[in-house]
This record gives sequence, structure tokens and C-alpha cells, in this order.
Amino acid sequence: DVKVTQSSRYLVKRTGEKVFLECVQDMDHENMFWYRQDPGLGLRLIYFSYDVKMKEKGDIPEGYSVSREKKERFSLILESASTNQTSMYLCASSPTTGERWSGNQPQHFGDGTRLSIL
Amino acid sequence: TQLLEQSPQFLSIQEGENLTVYCNSSSVFSSLQWYRQEPGEGPVLLVTVVTGGEVKKLKRLTFQFGDARKDSSLHITAAQPGDTGLYLCAGAHASSNTGKLIFGQGTTLQVKP
Repeated sequence: DVKVTQSSRYLVKRTGEKVFLECVQDMDHENMFWYRQDPGLGLRLIYFSYDVKMKEKGDIPEGYSVSREKKERFSLILESASTNQTSMYLCASSPTTGERWSGNQPQHFGDGTRLSIL
Repeated sequence: TQLLEQSPQFLSIQEGENLTVYCNSSSVFSSLQWYRQEPGEGPVLLVTVVTGGEVKKLKRLTFQFGDARKDSSLHITAAQPGDTGLYLCAGAHASSNTGKLIFGQGTTLQVKP
């Protein structure tokens, strides 16, 4: 089974702090994603990466950055945390098909990090 | 921005009842995935539909992809308390080569015993 592990289940930080959320997957997947989940808004994509050192902005990248130095690890960074970044953060991974079109591939999710910014 | 509209947002029913969740868009998707998420866990894939008009069954769950590949539905027959959870639809755009999905807002289902 694919395992996507997020480093923390719960995290409490203060405004202005730099916050790191870590995600590791063990299935050699090329694609990795960071979402935030808020009630009534579904999953909103923050950033994704389709290869090591490659990253692309999602729908709500403002206030966030990412790092992918190794294939299995994708980090989300809140440069200066603010209260409106209090949310559930979900990491996911998926494989790439040989033709580079991955639309049918399922995403495998971690159990999430509930982040509170005080 | 492509959107996926899910309805209803909340559903509370008694055990044994039937229900349908809808996922609609004005955009064409090359595939539609349905996920279920339980409290404290990440979403887990239930099914992927790819062909317009396709119907897939997973025990008491029936998934349909619209002929024009703009909409999908999830029908649950004789719901049970174990079906309780958040159901999410997610679409893949034909031009996507990175596995990027667009998610609906989700439908929270509560099945009471």
C-alpha cells in the first residue's frame, strides 16, 4: 500500500513564525501536491510538484512556498504565518504514466496536519 | 477557473434510505474521481470514471459519468452508518500532464442508525 506520511497531526504556531510542514511518500511517485481544506470550500491546491526541484503554483499560493529536494519529500513553508492560514493541510502523491498524462491516476493522501495560527 | 459544483453540501438520512450526490461542471473532464474522507483521515479513492456514459458499481454505490463528461453522480442504495463521511468528486482536465485534479466542495453525509 502507498503510504503518505505527514510529519505532524496537530500544530500550533504564532503569527509571524516560519512554519514547515513535511510530507514523505514511499511509492516513488513523481507528482506531489499540497492542499488546504476548509469547511464548504473542498480541497484547494496550494502548490504541486511533478519532479524533483520542479514546482508549480496551484490556485492559492500566496503566503506559501514549497521545496522538493528529494523525490520522496515535499515540504510546505509558511513564510510568515497569519491567522487566516489556520486550516487542515493535506499532502498527496500520484504516479505519472509513461505518456506523461496522469489524469486517471488516483491521488494518495496523508492524514492531514491541523494547523492553528494564534 | 474550472469549477466542480457538488450538491447537496450536507445530507442527513436514516439507515436504509437511498441518496444521490451530484457533481456538475460547465467544463469537460477526461476523467472523474470520487473519494471518501472519514474524520481524522485523508481522502481515499472510491472509483475513477473515464468514458462518457460509464457506470461503475462498488457494492451499494453506483457511479455514473455524464455522456458529455461534464457531470457525475454517486448513488447509494440502502445507506448504512458506515457510509457516513465526506464525499468528494475530482476532475482531471484533458490538458493536464501533471496529475492535477480539481475538487468539488464535498458532500457531508450522515447516516443515522
